[in-house]
Amino acid sequence: DGGITQSPKYLFRKEGQNVTLSCEQNLNHDAMYWYRQDPGQGLRLIYYSQIVNDFQKGDIAEGYSVSREKKESFPLTVTSAQKNPTAFYLCASTSFNQPQHFGDGTRLSIL
Amino acid sequence: AQSVTQLDSQVPVFEEAPVELRCNYSSSVSVYLFWYVQYPNQGLQLLLKYLSGSTLVKGINGFEAEFNKSQTSFHLRKPSVHISDTAEYFCAVSVGGEYGNKLVFGAGTILRVKS
Repeated sequence: DGGITQSPKYLFRKEGQNVTLSCEQNLNHDAMYWYRQDPGQGLRLIYYSQIVNDFQKGDIAEGYSVSREKKESFPLTVTSAQKNPTAFYLCASTSFNQPQHFGDGTRLSIL
Repeated sequence: AQSVTQLDSQVPVFEEAPVELRCNYSSSVSVYLFWYVQYPNQGLQLLLKYLSGSTLVKGINGFEAEFNKSQTSFHLRKPSVHISDTAEYFCAVSVGGEYGNKLVFGAGTILRVKS
């Protein structure tokens, strides 16, 4: 079955540490997205990429970085510059004439 | 800038009762609207979408929504809810076309179905 795989499901970060969240899709979608979800705030866009080797900042990109070296992969790095990283992170993908399809998320917590 | 307001943060309802989750949007251009559902610790699943045509849109799990341009609303309804409908529901508007390059989400409404 086609879909989006996010790993790990739970992740813990120490102070001053960078961590990378994985997002892989086998839907052959062109565009991929990263959202951050906090209680009562809905989803906020961190970064998105519409083609390989290109990506754009979303509304809350500070403290995060991404890469898009392959069509199926869009990893997100939460850097030590992100002072409040505890959240639920969702990856999504889409292609022309299709709604966004979401993965099951990664929950990041601070040790 | 486009924005979405979900008017209720939580809606408690008894099983088999009807429910309406309210959503208002702001946009000065053509509007493309979506409702997603999220079960605990899972991703979002598309319930229904409005792109054009009939203002009454039917989705999965017996849900429907009505697009009202004059009131800038896109309320979600279900005539009889089940315990399994307990989840968080998000209204979203597409920026940049039907499936655009961005979705702007509301803050979410938690539907709690009680027996």
